[in-house]
Amino acid sequence: SAVISQKPSRDICQRGTSLTIQCQVDSQVTMMFWYRQQPGQSLTLIATANQGSEATYESGFVIDKFPISRPNLTFSTLTVSNMSPEDSSIYLCSVEGEGNYGYTFGSGTRLTVV
Amino acid sequence: GENVEQHPSTLSVQEGDSAVIKCTYSDSASNYFPWYKQELGKRPQLIIDIRSNVGEKKDQRIAVTLNKTAKHFSLHITETQPEDSAVYFCAAGGGSARQLTFGSGTQLTVLP
Repeated sequence: SAVISQKPSRDICQRGTSLTIQCQVDSQVTMMFWYRQQPGQSLTLIATANQGSEATYESGFVIDKFPISRPNLTFSTLTVSNMSPEDSSIYLCSVEGEGNYGYTFGSGTRLTVV
Repeated sequence: GENVEQHPSTLSVQEGDSAVIKCTYSDSASNYFPWYKQELGKRPQLIIDIRSNVGEKKDQRIAVTLNKTAKHFSLHITETQPEDSAVYFCAAGGGSARQLTFGSGTQLTVLP
């Protein structure tokens, strides 16, 4: 299965600022997924990132708030913009395994907005 | 879109007993059903998965069953151990949308 390096692992940010989270995969993957996990909650998909095209956002998430880049088949970034305390969550990237199964996750970014 | 319901939300069992977690899904096009274990402060880890052409799959103490007609699948853990204590998530995916939709999670506590 793919190995994903995600950084930063955690950060404390001031409200109104932005944070960019990076995920690097050790193999080429077609699709990368960004999830949010609020404290004590399940994982909610933010968007799907394809190389060479705009990300596809789920209901309730917009590009202006969560811009995503996907410059190549091994790398993606998620930016959390104009942050408020409600954005305090864990953010995780994920990729499909072989045959479009066996999704694996990055180690997550624990974001606290103060 | 897909909707996955999971229950119970919390489950306590005595060490050595079995634990069962159940999920239902709504999209009949879903064909992939993984289960993840998440320990406190760690990423979700895939523990077992099943595809829609299979009714049951077993890996040592863990098994998953799938009933496509009823649109539900279950995780069975036998001979539970304290290290099985964690949050377990079911998910459904595949079909036309390749992303996974997760259930709400089950906090499993194995009492020594």
